Amino acid sequence: DAGVIQSPRHEVTEMGQEVTLRCKPISGHDYLFWYRQTMMRGLELLIYFNNNVPIDDSGMPEDRFSAKMPNASFSTLKIQPSEPRDSAVYFCASRRTEATNEKLFFGSGTQLSVL
Amino acid sequence: ILNVEQSPQSLHVQEGDSTNFTCSFPSSNFYALHWYRWETAKSPEALFVMTLNGDEKKKGRISATLNTKEGYSYLYIKGSQPEDSATYLCASQHDYKLSFGAGTTVTVRA
Repeated sequence: DAGVIQSPRHEVTEMGQEVTLRCKPISGHDYLFWYRQTMMRGLELLIYFNNNVPIDDSGMPEDRFSAKMPNASFSTLKIQPSEPRDSAVYFCASRRTEATNEKLFFGSGTQLSVL
Repeated sequence: ILNVEQSPQSLHVQEGDSTNFTCSFPSSNFYALHWYRWETAKSPEALFVMTLNGDEKKKGRISATLNTKEGYSYLYIKGSQPEDSATYLCASQHDYKLSFGAGTTVTVRA
């Protein structure tokens, strides 16, 4: 298995532009998580899905952020309009439901820089 | 949001020496405690997932213990090697959500 695949690896954009981050979870994993890594707040959970349905989006910072999972193999995290404070590494992770304590598998992350 | 704390924030270890560091988490509504290793320019990789009080897990020279009653876990590295240099993250699981600590960054000096 190729693991969790994220794209792009790096994104540089200007303030006000729309940014779309993409994630392909591991096949057979029914939970998908979006995390954001910053120096100030560490790894923080933004939203997670179960069987393509958003379960908890309480970590989404504001209305400029939205996430979708149209099918079991694809999810997007969109920021519109982007702001410099959105600059961070965004990770996608997936896991199975086999047991409640299954480990997370992380993608390689998207380094976002908003100028 | 669960308050997961790790200490120290960073440490330097001489190659061959052993070291350990701590993760503390709320003991109420505990589900599981995860440890991840995060190397520079890579993604975090799971080391251990522990659920029961008194659990001990081992992977090569790295081991971990869990005390759910008092809300802490230790990670031990025996005979540190340069390849052990990484940030070690712990996360407390509540339901299906993980809350991560800020990590302990370990640098092993040759």
